[in-house]
Parts: sequence; C-alpha cells; structure tokens
Amino acid sequence: EIVMTQSPATLSVSPGERATLSCRASQSVTRNLAWYQQKPGQAPRLVIYGVSTRATGIPARFSGSGSGTEFTLTISSLQPEDFAVYYCQQYNDWPPNSFGPGTKLEIK
Amino acid sequence: VQLVQSGAEVRKPGASVRVSCKASGYTFTIYDIHWVRQATGQGLEWMGWLNPKTGDAGYAQKFQGRVTITRNPSIRTAYLDLSSLRSDDTAVYYCARGVALSGDYMQDYWGQGTQVTVSS
Repeated sequence: EIVMTQSPATLSVSPGERATLSCRASQSVTRNLAWYQQKPGQAPRLVIYGVSTRATGIPARFSGSGSGTEFTLTISSLQPEDFAVYYCQQYNDWPPNSFGPGTKLEIK
Repeated sequence: VQLVQSGAEVRKPGASVRVSCKASGYTFTIYDIHWVRQATGQGLEWMGWLNPKTGDAGYAQKFQGRVTITRNPSIRTAYLDLSSLRSDDTAVYYCARGVALSGDYMQDYWGQGTQVTVSS
C-alpha cells in the first residue's frame, strides 16, 4: 500500500505571497498524482491532476510539479479564497486510492 | 453533474448504516463511484469504489468485511453499507465520481456529504 505524506502540516502565508506545499509518496507513483482543496464545511474540490494539469475552473496561479515520489503544489500570489486544506492523492496503484494527511494553508 | 447524498444518520454501536448517492447530469454507468470519509477535524480517508456498469467493487483493507458498495443503475444510485459500527466510524461520508482521462484518474465531482454519528 502506498502511503502519502505532506508537509508542512500548517503553512502560514500572507495574501499576495507564494505558497509551496509538498507531498511525498512511499514509493513511486510516476505522475499519477492529484491535489484537492477543501474549505470548512465543504466537500473536497479537484485542483490538479496528472501532477500539473489544472482542473476545470482552477486559476493559473495554481501549479503542480514533480514525479516519482516528490511533488509540489505552488500557489502564486495567494488570494483570500485560496486559504483551505490541501490534500494530495495517488492513483498509480490502487486500491487504496490513498490521500495524504493534508496541509492547512492559513492566513498569516 | 450532481451527486446528492442521503441525510444524516445516527446509529448505536454494533448497528449498520446505509448511505445513498444519487447521480444526475451524466451517464451513471460510465464513471466510477468512490466513497471517502472524514472524521471531525481529520483528513480524508478513502474507503472503496464501484464500477456502476458491472457492479464490481474494491475496498480499502481497513474496511474489508465491514463495508459493501452496491448500486441500482435503474435509479442512478450508489450505496455504501457499513456494518458493526463503532464510535470511531463517526464521520462525514462523501461519494465522488471517478473519471479516467487520458491516463489520469481523478474524483471530479463530489456529493455534499452525509454525517453518520455512532453513539450509545
């Protein structure tokens, strides 16, 4: 079973600045990785799939990179609506379609 | 596309619960359905998935023997059945549509979530 980890657990960034979130897989997931955003009281929302492809309606300030076991989600010029919890998920070898524990992106 | 889930449930320990997920706006049998849960203040936990066309399902090892995912294609609805409930099964349960696209796979639409509370 592939185990996903994320760092940091909480990231404090000021609006307008850049945020960099990390995700690591316990074994290679090649490029089969997605990112989800979740706001309080809401269902998760797909942000990125295939490491770097933005989902429909996701603004260009969101970008993803990486391959194998190390991945990054970058949000340039943070907007107020970007503060949320972000989860990475691998779909290279499933079940299980495992999620990371999440990174809470909070306003500094 | 919409996934509409059934309402909140309260059960006693040892009981079972069924959560439904009704799909609309797309061809139900083309896309998978996944179930993911989230305890209060915790992360997302993937439970299992269903191929609505064939009825084939797969589960996370943690839930093997306690969870069953089924569907009724005639009413475009998928079901999550969880048995032998414990207090740590208290969570919001989500269904999500699984989509394969050019070698990628994702859960692109999600239900609104169903609160299941297990309490004596």
